[in-house]
Amino acid sequence: AQSVAQPEDQVNVAEGNPLTVKCTYSVSGNPYLFWYVQYPNRGLQFLLKYITGDNLVKGSYGFEAEFNKSQTSFHLKKPSALVSDSALYFCAVRVLYNQGGKLIFGQGTELSVKP
Amino acid sequence: NAGVTQTPKFRVLKTGQSMTLLCAQDMNHEYMYWYRQDPGMGLRLIHYSVGEGTTAKGEVPDGYNVSRLKKQNFLLGLESAAPSQTSVYFCASSPASSGNTIYFGEGSWLTVV
Repeated sequence: AQSVAQPEDQVNVAEGNPLTVKCTYSVSGNPYLFWYVQYPNRGLQFLLKYITGDNLVKGSYGFEAEFNKSQTSFHLKKPSALVSDSALYFCAVRVLYNQGGKLIFGQGTELSVKP
Repeated sequence: NAGVTQTPKFRVLKTGQSMTLLCAQDMNHEYMYWYRQDPGMGLRLIHYSVGEGTTAKGEVPDGYNVSRLKKQNFLLGLESAAPSQTSVYFCASSPASSGNTIYFGEGSWLTVV
């Protein structure tokens, strides 16, 4: 079965420090991987995705993610965190050829950036 | 720049009442989805549609029905609401190819008392 795991419920970072939000996946075949961010009482906003090609993917708001096939990971990173980055982050894998290509989500990681 | 629009945004229902959540997308996407979000469980797929006039069950379809009479609209119905259906509901849409991004609406907060 395909699945996504986000091992940390919460990540705390000081403003200006680098941040990493971890994600591992289990899929058959090549994965289509996504990161979304959710601000309080809002919908999910797309940050970035990996489909193929360069393992380092750059996305919105200065975020990037590194695809590592051998470790089946897709960690989200940012070199310098902002207080405004505080939000709930979801990693997801898109299922191919089944259920409309649905997304399977991790449980989410709450990122808290303190001044 | 509307994207995916959900109505209503907030609703309180009594157990046994019925209601319909409306989702509209203006991006001419083939695929549409309804997810529910519950604390600690991420998002789970309720129903989905791969085109006008077609719908199918997702992971947690019990207690819900859907219809997609027009390509741009995807309706989620609760025939007899239960407290277990208290949740945040998200509609989403995407083009047909799995490499494409799925775009989400702003959510509908439903409380069943």
